[in-house]
Amino acid sequence: GAGVSQSPSNKVTEKGKDVELRCDPISGHTALYWYRQSLGQGLEFLIYFQGNSAPDKSGLPSDRFSAERTGGSVSTLTIQRTQQEDSAVYLCASSPSTGSNYGYTFGSGTRLTVV
Amino acid sequence: GDSVTQMEGPVTLSEEAFLTINCTYTATGYPSLFWYVQYPGEGLQLLLKATKADDKGSNKGFEATYRKETTSFHLEKGSVQVSDSAVYFCALESNTGKLIFGQGTTLQVKP
Repeated sequence: GAGVSQSPSNKVTEKGKDVELRCDPISGHTALYWYRQSLGQGLEFLIYFQGNSAPDKSGLPSDRFSAERTGGSVSTLTIQRTQQEDSAVYLCASSPSTGSNYGYTFGSGTRLTVV
Repeated sequence: GDSVTQMEGPVTLSEEAFLTINCTYTATGYPSLFWYVQYPGEGLQLLLKATKADDKGSNKGFEATYRKETTSFHLEKGSVQVSDSAVYFCALESNTGKLIFGQGTTLQVKP
């Protein structure tokens, strides 16, 4: 597509429920990144994919968080047993490849609220 | 590990004032450096970048120079406009390919 698409744009969920967040990158972009932006905080790196593999999962905050990417395209970030501290805006970005010659294009994010 | 430190905001300026937002970094080697901007209600956009020492990135009247000696990449604009009101993020690209962001600095420009 023309840009990075994320869905849903807003999600309100009850504490303890599982949620899935979706990212559809720009067609042909092999690198895909997930970040989290909490109120008053910067952008916290979660995970990135090169193709379908995830060379760096170091940012996932706990084992309740997981992500996958299939077919080198769409990625899903899953949060199990959500907690209130998971409330944040989850941002996805894609890039033609890793490396500084390529910029990241960010999606508009999914605002997750855990009540 | 690699990190980015930005000046805390909010920064409040009158229209046509000079802007500086400080950014310093800690990294192994010489990473590429970036400024991203997030306008109200919008996603993050790349504003400018510099890939090696002494490079100057520029866009929309904003400039930043990669200073290896001071490990800095300060953002400047000579005359800000109300439309520049946004959150600005400094970032570096780590040697694993991911971007590491600063905390963000909110700029408010008043007419």
